[in-house]
Amino acid sequence: RKEVEQDPGPFNVPEGATVAFNCTYSNSASQSFFWYRQDCRKEPKLLMSVYSSGNEDGRFTAQLNRASQYISLLIRDSKLSDSATYLCVVNRYTGNQFYFGTGTSLTVIP
Amino acid sequence: DVKVTQSSRYLVKRTGEKVFLECVQDMDHENMFWYRQDPGLGLRLIYFSYDVKMKEKGDIPEGYSVSREKKERFSLILESASTNQTSMYLCASSLRQGEEYFGPGTRLTVT
Repeated sequence: RKEVEQDPGPFNVPEGATVAFNCTYSNSASQSFFWYRQDCRKEPKLLMSVYSSGNEDGRFTAQLNRASQYISLLIRDSKLSDSATYLCVVNRYTGNQFYFGTGTSLTVIP
Repeated sequence: DVKVTQSSRYLVKRTGEKVFLECVQDMDHENMFWYRQDPGLGLRLIYFSYDVKMKEKGDIPEGYSVSREKKERFSLILESASTNQTSMYLCASSLRQGEEYFGPGTRLTVT
């Protein structure tokens, strides 16, 4: 079983829509969680960390459910510039290794 | 602002050549990582290092080696390049319990 699983999409949504991505992780010892954004032919960049209590950054909200071992990302009022691949990442600290999902592709359509 | 740099953006090498990919970070991060990214497979960890002269195998270390002689520099070596090593190579660094920062990537083509 993969450490981190994501629905690859693609998600095609109109501007202004709300879209949600989910990600599941297999190891209950996972300690920290992140969402990264990757634009076409660019490197991944940190979008936001995910905290146990959930956190919000403008139009973006991240949630963590430890009991069910999933994290989510909600994007409200989608913009054309939100078009990218969104990567779910977990870290167990033991071994210092990060585990990446394969990414979910989002295209926001005018 | 964290900066991770990689020695080349694009590289073309012949089968059997020895290839060096260099990565430098300027934020005194303990951890450094080398990934390759291929369509449909996502990011796969090749090797990582949590301290100078320390290295750990990732998920796909075969055909690769690494070197970390200084804290800021982490090198990936392809001893004898093969066509199946054509890929995007991404270097990253992090603090011991922090998020990763990536370099811009090296697109390697082996012909």
